[in-house]
Amino acid sequence: DQQVKQNSPSLSVQEGRISILNCDYTNSMFDYFLWYKKYPAEGPTFLISISSIKDKNEDGRFTVFLNKSAKHLSLHIVPSQPGDSAVYFCAGGGGSNYKLTFGKGTLLTVNP
Amino acid sequence: EAEVAQSPRYKITEKSQAVAFWCDPISGHATLYWYRQILGQGPELLVQFQDESVVDDSQLPKDRFSAERLKGVDSTLKIQPAELGDSAMYLCASSPSMGEQFFGPGTRLTVL
Repeated sequence: DQQVKQNSPSLSVQEGRISILNCDYTNSMFDYFLWYKKYPAEGPTFLISISSIKDKNEDGRFTVFLNKSAKHLSLHIVPSQPGDSAVYFCAGGGGSNYKLTFGKGTLLTVNP
Repeated sequence: EAEVAQSPRYKITEKSQAVAFWCDPISGHATLYWYRQILGQGPELLVQFQDESVVDDSQLPKDRFSAERLKGVDSTLKIQPAELGDSAMYLCASSPSMGEQFFGPGTRLTVL
């Protein structure tokens, strides 16, 4: 059972435009959600998080939106830059041991 | 900037051999995680430590995998014997408490 789903394996956008990465989840017990970015041959790097009691969190060019009723969240990157090209993982967390469950990732390519 | 250290970065072994990976978390982080990431998938939790105690090893294949964190600081993950299907990236992460986990660069294991 895949509790966190990233249905788009890849996304390609032009530099300066908006990138929107989507994530759906099935586990209602998640307390918070995180987005990680991963370059090849490196470990994931934390980008931004959102608590389940909020519907939006913003940090510079990155904004995460949470729609609890739809069990859906999205990461918006504005404006997109070539250096943003990477695999983006969505993760849900919660429970007594704060375990994270990751999606399969979306490969974002930002073209100059 | 404090980082999670992992070694080796790359490991090639033959099936049936034993392999071991080492992780040194960020100083002061009580929680340590070992993940396995198969190509095209998101990281999957193998084992979670709180100080020196295992709090979740439900996904660890205990017939061949073992993990320890004897002094509650650094940790070792061992596979014996290695199988072809164990080829993956093994990621270590640490966290001071709930929420954000900081990942190391990973160990890329190839089993021939």
